[in-house]
Amino acid sequence: AQSVAQPEDQVNVAEGNPLTVKCTYSVSGNPYLFWYVQYPNRGLQFLLKYITGDNLVKGSYGFEAEFNKSQTSFHLKKPSALVSDSALYFCAVRDPISSGSARQLTFGSGTQLTVLP
Amino acid sequence: GAGVSQSPSNKVTEKGKDVELRCDPISGHTALYWYRQSLGQGLEFLIYFQGNSAPDKSGLPSDRFSAERTGGSVSTLTIQRTQQEDSAVYLCASSLYTGDGYTFGSGTRLTVV
Repeated sequence: AQSVAQPEDQVNVAEGNPLTVKCTYSVSGNPYLFWYVQYPNRGLQFLLKYITGDNLVKGSYGFEAEFNKSQTSFHLKKPSALVSDSALYFCAVRDPISSGSARQLTFGSGTQLTVLP
Repeated sequence: GAGVSQSPSNKVTEKGKDVELRCDPISGHTALYWYRQSLGQGLEFLIYFQGNSAPDKSGLPSDRFSAERTGGSVSTLTIQRTQQEDSAVYLCASSLYTGDGYTFGSGTRLTVV
């Protein structure tokens, strides 16, 4: 079975400081990993994905994430946070080898990021 | 269309009534998914359609929930005899193929009173 954990419900960071939103995963094979962002009263927006290749993935709005196979992590990062980055962030995983119910993405519980001015 | 369209955006219904939620995916996207997001919760998978294959219904919480996808395009999620615990935001997403990232709609906020 595939699963993903976001250990922090809430992350606060000052504007201009670097931010990290943590994600760890569990799959039986090599994972497909995704980050999504949800602004208030909006649907989820795709930020970035890791399928294969370079462990450092760059995505929208200056975000990046680093795939670490040994630590089974895929933390989301940004060098300098903006107030407008304040939103709910979801990590998601899929095991491409699995069939049946694992064909869909499994999402974490979300991390509320608040960037303080 | 340019994005995934869901209707209605908000629905208030009385306990015991049936509701239908509609999703119009991006043209050409073969995969369509329904998720449920309850207040303060993550996303709960409900059902998945891929092309003409039989849908994966493994996430549906009870037999009051059903969904269909007509002509490989528009999908309707039906909840019969709604209960207060059905109150949530119902999100639809589509993707070009199963391994791709999803494009989500803005969701339908369902409130059962």
